[in-house]
Amino acid sequence: DIQMTQSPSSLSASVGDRVTITCRASQGISNYLAWYQQKPGKVPKLLIYAASTLQSGVPSRFSGSGSGTDFTLTISSLQPEDVATYYCQKYNSEWTFGQGTKVEIK
Amino acid sequence: EVQLVESGGGLVQPGRSLRLSCAASGFTFDDYAMHWVRQAPGKGLEWVSGISWNSGSIGYADSVKGRFTISRDNAKNSLYLQMNSLRAEDTALYYCARSNSGSFLDAFDIWGQGTMVTVSS
Repeated sequence: DIQMTQSPSSLSASVGDRVTITCRASQGISNYLAWYQQKPGKVPKLLIYAASTLQSGVPSRFSGSGSGTDFTLTISSLQPEDVATYYCQKYNSEWTFGQGTKVEIK
Repeated sequence: EVQLVESGGGLVQPGRSLRLSCAASGFTFDDYAMHWVRQAPGKGLEWVSGISWNSGSIGYADSVKGRFTISRDNAKNSLYLQMNSLRAEDTALYYCARSNSGSFLDAFDIWGQGTMVTVSS
């Protein structure tokens, strides 16, 4: 089975900072990679699919890149409303989530 | 409004069964693959099972294979998860989720609010 490993597991950054979260697949998955945001007590929200395609309605400060085994989610300017846990997910065969990255404001 | 509403959760003893339902509205249900995803208290997301639009393709996580059965009734715009031989480790909030497109292999763009399943004696 393909494993998805996110790093870091948590981070603290200031408002306006550029934030990068990485996700590594144990085998190549082409671009079958999505990113989700889950705010405390809320339902997960799709941010990005196909590694770099922004879901409709998602702010442009979010972006995704990568292909094969290494992927990144970038928040270009962290906002207070971005406090959440972020998950990557592969969907090339079965569906597997990363363990999550908790983002907090410093 | 596109909406998914789960029901059927509750407290159940280990070894017993439970059937979850997900009612879909606001979109053409039989155009989309559907999935169940769970989240144990304080833990991350775990994909449980998925089913294509016509039930022709079905998948299960290893942790539930042989115990859980996914199904759908397109005439009733409903998705189901039959859970047998429940274990304490199945305790979680169970979400129903829609595939982002008609493809079976896609991300999940619409999620329900979830239904809580607690397995305990």
